[in-house]
Amino acid sequence: QKEVEQNSGPLSVPEGAIASLNCTYSDRVSQSFFWYRQYSGKSPELIMSIYSNGDKEDGRFTAQLNKASQYVSLLIRDSQPSDSATYLCAVNCGRNYGGSQGNLIFGKGTKLSVKP
Amino acid sequence: EADIYQTPRYLVIGTGKKITLECSQTMGHDKMYWYQQDPGMELHLIHYSYGVNSTEKGDLSSESTVSRIRTEHFPLTLESARPSHTSQYLCASSEYQAGGPIDTQYFGPGTRLTVL
Repeated sequence: QKEVEQNSGPLSVPEGAIASLNCTYSDRVSQSFFWYRQYSGKSPELIMSIYSNGDKEDGRFTAQLNKASQYVSLLIRDSQPSDSATYLCAVNCGRNYGGSQGNLIFGKGTKLSVKP
Repeated sequence: EADIYQTPRYLVIGTGKKITLECSQTMGHDKMYWYQQDPGMELHLIHYSYGVNSTEKGDLSSESTVSRIRTEHFPLTLESARPSHTSQYLCASSEYQAGGPIDTQYFGPGTRLTVL
């Protein structure tokens, strides 16, 4: 079964705090993991991609992957009001579900609100 | 920087009209996608293409059709629009390597369609 699970939120954090967004996935064969940010009414934009177990840092953002636990997370340090958006976790479809191998499966997203 | 374009950005049209939503990318990506997203809801894949003359149906059944005559162009057509087609339509593209790692999907700005 193809599934990517995220807590829908809203997750509310004060400005300057660390926001922690979590995602679990069901397909053990998945190899590629992405975090997208989507502002209301806009299209998703890529924040991070991660392919190997461990941490990957890019500025204030850190993606963490644990394939054994089928878990990927995104940490946002020094959260800013401009970080308020919905964050989408996406995982590649590793198995050939009717030809869809290679497509991304998106979670429903976690809505983050950063309060000044 | 992703170069993927969608026109029109907004479309309000009456029931029964035929419409075509345009999507073009200048990155030379082989794989292209169409997603449908209602406000506050998750992304649903409705069509995708591996390259010229390739079109596949996505996870969500859709009355729309697509074509891929040129690598850079992936239009979506609704032969007879209905109010149930009211939604945001997002086009995306990515590199594609059979058996290789899944590359990032880049999204266009979207077309917000309203059918009266």
